[in-house]
Amino acid sequence: QVQLQESGPGLVKPSETLSLNCSVSGDSVSTGGYYWAWIRQHPGKGLEWIGYIHYSGNTYYNPSLQSRSTISIDRSTNHFSLRLSSVTAADTAVYYCARHRMPVYGLDVWGQGTTVTVSS
Amino acid sequence: QSALTQPASVSGSPGQSITISCTGTSSGLGDDYYVFWYQQHPGKAPKLIIFDVNKRPSGVSYRFSGSKSGNTASLTISGLQPDDEADYYCSSYTPNRGVIFGGGTKLTAL
Repeated sequence: QVQLQESGPGLVKPSETLSLNCSVSGDSVSTGGYYWAWIRQHPGKGLEWIGYIHYSGNTYYNPSLQSRSTISIDRSTNHFSLRLSSVTAADTAVYYCARHRMPVYGLDVWGQGTTVTVSS
Repeated sequence: QSALTQPASVSGSPGQSITISCTGTSSGLGDDYYVFWYQQHPGKAPKLIIFDVNKRPSGVSYRFSGSKSGNTASLTISGLQPDDEADYYCSSYTPNRGVIFGGGTKLTAL
C-alpha cells in the first residue's frame, strides 16, 4: 500500500523560505510513469496545484508560483521536497503531496496534508 | 491558466441523483485534456473518484460516474447517501499546462 507523509515546520516567518518533505513508502519515486506533486489548500478554499517532479529531475510548476517554487527529489531516501521562498501570509495553507500517475490516472495517492502558517 | 467553473453548492435528498458541472473557460476542456474528479470530506485529503473523464479507480462506488460534452465535464452521483456529503473538485491536466482545479462544489445531502 502506497503512503505519502508530509513533514516540515508548521510555522514560518514572513519573507523566509517554506520547506516541506514528502516521504514515500510502498513505492519508489524512481518508478516510471509517476510524477510527484505538491498541492495546497488555503483555509476554507479550493485546491491549488503547485507543481510536480519526475525522478529524472524534470519539473513543471504552476506559472503563478513558479518564480518562488522549487521541487526536488531524492531517490536514495525515496522522498521529494518543496521549497517556497519569500513567503507571506497568503501562503498559509494546508500543503499536500501526492502521486500523479501520468497521464491518465490523475493524483491517485495523497498524503494527509500538513498545515503551514506564515506569521511573525 | 484557463479556469474550471463549478457551482458553489448542490444539494439532494437521499436516494436521488445529482450532477455537478465543470465548465472550462478560455482554452476550455478540449480533447487533449484529461479530466478528473476528487472528493474531499472535511479535514481530510482529497480522494480521486473519477479519472480519464469517466473511469473509476478500484474501490470507488459505481454510483459515481463522469461524462464530458464539449467544454463541460460532469460528475453524477446516483442513489445519494449521507456519506456523499463532501466537497467535489474537477480537475484537468495537459502536459503543456499542468494541473488545474475547479473551485469546488459543496454537496449537501438533505
